[in-house]
Amino acid sequence: QVQLVDSGGGVVQPGGSLRLSCTASGFPFSTYGFHWVRQPPGKGLEWVTYIGHDGSNRQYVDSVKGRFTISRDNSENTVYLQMDSLTIEDTAAYYCARNLWDTSGWHRFDYWGPGTVVTVS
Amino acid sequence: DIQMTQSPSSLSASIGDRVAIACRASQSIGNYLNWYQHKPGKAPKLLIYAASRLQTGVPSRFSGSGSGTDFTLIISSMQPEDFATYFCQQTNTASWTFGQGTQVEI
Repeated sequence: QVQLVDSGGGVVQPGGSLRLSCTASGFPFSTYGFHWVRQPPGKGLEWVTYIGHDGSNRQYVDSVKGRFTISRDNSENTVYLQMDSLTIEDTAAYYCARNLWDTSGWHRFDYWGPGTVVTVS
Repeated sequence: DIQMTQSPSSLSASIGDRVAIACRASQSIGNYLNWYQHKPGKAPKLLIYAASRLQTGVPSRFSGSGSGTDFTLIISSMQPEDFATYFCQQTNTASWTFGQGTQVEI
């Protein structure tokens, strides 16, 4: 069955770096795009970044542009989020999610990982 | 960017109740609207996409309606496993904005 597992979270000081991983199984990984979504403590969900199926299309929310980099390794079925110059405002649970898109143009995040917690302190 | 506003921010319900959650977009998004259920410590779960299409495997007591700027998620008869936080999300633009969430409590 489809499974996404997020990992790599932890405690880091302001200005530090962290790399998150999302390892997938149960489907043809290289045919799907992926997102990272975060949820700060006590707040709602915030979309962070997206990578297309072949890595050529990458999008970022303005607040992380120039600091975060999304990448993927289709041979390892893994998506990465390199987070640099971290600030207290980046503290959140981070979730990876698979993007499902159909020819009618409807996108949805149909499978999610359980999340990994990043604390900047 | 498109802003998504949900109401109410929280509500209390009993088993068997009909529950309605509203979501309003700051500009028209057609029917590019998804609904998710999120429980603490768990992965969010897709319920509805394209405003009214039920994701495979989701119980039929969940339904969605609306288009343009106003949308509604209906749970026709609350079950114990439905107590959670619900989020709407617009996919009309690549900012993929979420609403702030509606917490449904017992």
